[in-house]
Amino acid sequence: EAGVAQSPRYKIIEKRQSVAFWCNPISGHATLYWYQQILGQGPKLLIQFQNNGVVDDSQLPKDRFSAERLKGVDSTLKIQPAKLEDSAVYLCASTRRPGGMSGELFFGEGSRLTVL
Amino acid sequence: LAKTTQPISMDSYEGQEVNITCSHNNIATNDYITWYQQFPSQGPRFIIQGYKTKVTNEVASLFIPADRKSSTLSLPRVSLSDTAVYYCLVGDGPVDTGRRALTFGSGTRLQVQP
Repeated sequence: EAGVAQSPRYKIIEKRQSVAFWCNPISGHATLYWYQQILGQGPKLLIQFQNNGVVDDSQLPKDRFSAERLKGVDSTLKIQPAKLEDSAVYLCASTRRPGGMSGELFFGEGSRLTVL
Repeated sequence: LAKTTQPISMDSYEGQEVNITCSHNNIATNDYITWYQQFPSQGPRFIIQGYKTKVTNEVASLFIPADRKSSTLSLPRVSLSDTAVYYCLVGDGPVDTGRRALTFGSGTRLQVQP
């Protein structure tokens, strides 16, 4: 089966600009996650969707980050305006069942953001 | 909140068995223990998952004691290609909601040398 698709793979922007990342999960996977991974650290959960509803966005910096999952399939993560500390890899993952309940996460290759 | 603690790094040589232990003192009754592997410039990849006792698949074994407060990932006969970061995860969130997102710690950086 096709894996989790993400785009773009790389993006370089200047601070205060905006950027959007796209994710297409594995077909049939109801749960979708966005993680932020800063160099040298483990992935940090930003937001979790169950179908098209938000389950957990407690760690999403809502003043600048937004995410949506229209129709319960594809998802978009947006940053506006970007700050230097947003430089990271943004990972999308999906699973059939909510994580932590025997649900294996399938990750995309990530989108690497560099903010200058 | 469930939190995991792992060694920051480990070194090994090709052909050796590597055991990485993770502590998770606050694991909840419904939580599974999951291990992921991550290579540079790639997303994490599922290795193995267990609830209790021992689980074995084609790449690794997972040992979980009765109290489930720790777990050990065992990689038999490692090769250079096993050089990666290994993450131990348990569910993290309100148990009664049934919505438990997985939280990654800092992981263990395994370096395999020839």
